[in-house]
Amino acid sequence: GAGVSQSPSNKVTEKGKDVELRCDPISGHTALYWYRQSLGQGLEFLIYFQGNSAPDKSGLPSDRFSAERTGGSVSTLTIQRTQQEDSAVYLCASSLATGRETQYFGPGTRLLVL
Amino acid sequence: SQQGEEDPQALSIQEGENATMNCSYKTSINNLQWYRQNSGRGLVHLILIRSNEREKHSGRLRVTLDTSKKSSSLLITASRAADTASYFCATDAFAGGGNKLTFGTGTQLKVEL
Repeated sequence: GAGVSQSPSNKVTEKGKDVELRCDPISGHTALYWYRQSLGQGLEFLIYFQGNSAPDKSGLPSDRFSAERTGGSVSTLTIQRTQQEDSAVYLCASSLATGRETQYFGPGTRLLVL
Repeated sequence: SQQGEEDPQALSIQEGENATMNCSYKTSINNLQWYRQNSGRGLVHLILIRSNEREKHSGRLRVTLDTSKKSSSLLITASRAADTASYFCATDAFAGGGNKLTFGTGTQLKVEL
């Protein structure tokens, strides 16, 4: 079946611009996670959704980062006023439910802020 | 922050040899998972071992877990060139209602023909 999809695959933007990253989870998966992978920090948790609510936003690095999920499906991660240190691969994952479930990852969005 | 530390950071072996990667973590966990990543993109789930399990097999993969030492190992037997990738362990502490994963630093495996 279809896996987790993310768009765009690559995004180049100028410092100060806003960007939106999209994640389509596996159909029927209620839990959705965003992670970031950068050279200096490795793989970091950003935020997770159970349905449309986000019980844990502890990983968001600043108030420039926000995410939403609508209809219990698609999620968008928005970065406002991008900075060069935001350059990274942004990975989305989904799981059938929260709690002891395997997470399935999308291919990621590679963001480069010039 | 990285909970897990993996060693070695890089490993180069010949095709047909076995590859062993180790992961250590700091806090109590519900389960530990191993993922593979090719070319810095999506992560592929390999195997999950629960905190009450000590060993698990899947094809050419063997994972062990020692919760007293807070460590795990991944053994790939009879390696193939296609196994060349980065391998990450990830721990699931199931805090606050969600099982966010905390990843290790990764081991870069290169399997040469």
